[in-house]
Amino acid sequence: QKEVEQNSGPLSVPEGAIASLNCTYSDRGSQSFFWYRQYSGKSPELIMFIYSNGDKEDGRFTAQLNKASQYVSLLIRDSQPSDSATYLCAVNINNKLIFGAGTRLAVHP
Amino acid sequence: GAVVSQHPSRVICKSGTSVKIECRSLDFQATTMFWYRQFPKQSLMLMATSNEGSKATYEQGVEKDKFLINHASLTLSTLTVTSAHPEDSSFYICSAFGRLNTGELFFGEGSRLTVL
Repeated sequence: QKEVEQNSGPLSVPEGAIASLNCTYSDRGSQSFFWYRQYSGKSPELIMFIYSNGDKEDGRFTAQLNKASQYVSLLIRDSQPSDSATYLCAVNINNKLIFGAGTRLAVHP
Repeated sequence: GAVVSQHPSRVICKSGTSVKIECRSLDFQATTMFWYRQFPKQSLMLMATSNEGSKATYEQGVEKDKFLINHASLTLSTLTVTSAHPEDSSFYICSAFGRLNTGELFFGEGSRLTVL
């Protein structure tokens, strides 16, 4: 079992819709979780981090964490074509960030 | 946030040569930096943890003699790919925790290595 798993996609949503990205992790002891966005040929940039169970909102983005189910998700409201990118879920395991394979999101006009 | 700068952004070299990539923390001191490698359409794979003033810690399957890491100061870590071969062609990215150490990694711009 991989330490961090994501559906590779592509996830295709129309402009203005909600995009839902999911991630599961294997280490029950993990305490911090991150979502990064990566455009093709560029390095990742942080979108959000979450440490506590529940929802955390920042603008159009909401991260959701359920430690009992070992599940993290990212919701993007009012999706824009500029949101088209690969979204990487990362989990802090033993003070190192381990990344999932990423989900490619395509927002079409 | 924090700024991590990486150089060069692109390098093309012949098979058998060595290539050095530099990673600098510009506005903070980083006792620990991380080196990742990313092949096309794949995720970031952690190669090693670079520790200032001590030996790097390599992930399983990463050859320490091939990927030399030096972290001689609090703001600079270097990765040298020795005797590079075409299969070493990849996107190499360094990163560090920011000064507030809130847990998120800040990434350099990445270095795309092409070995002919």
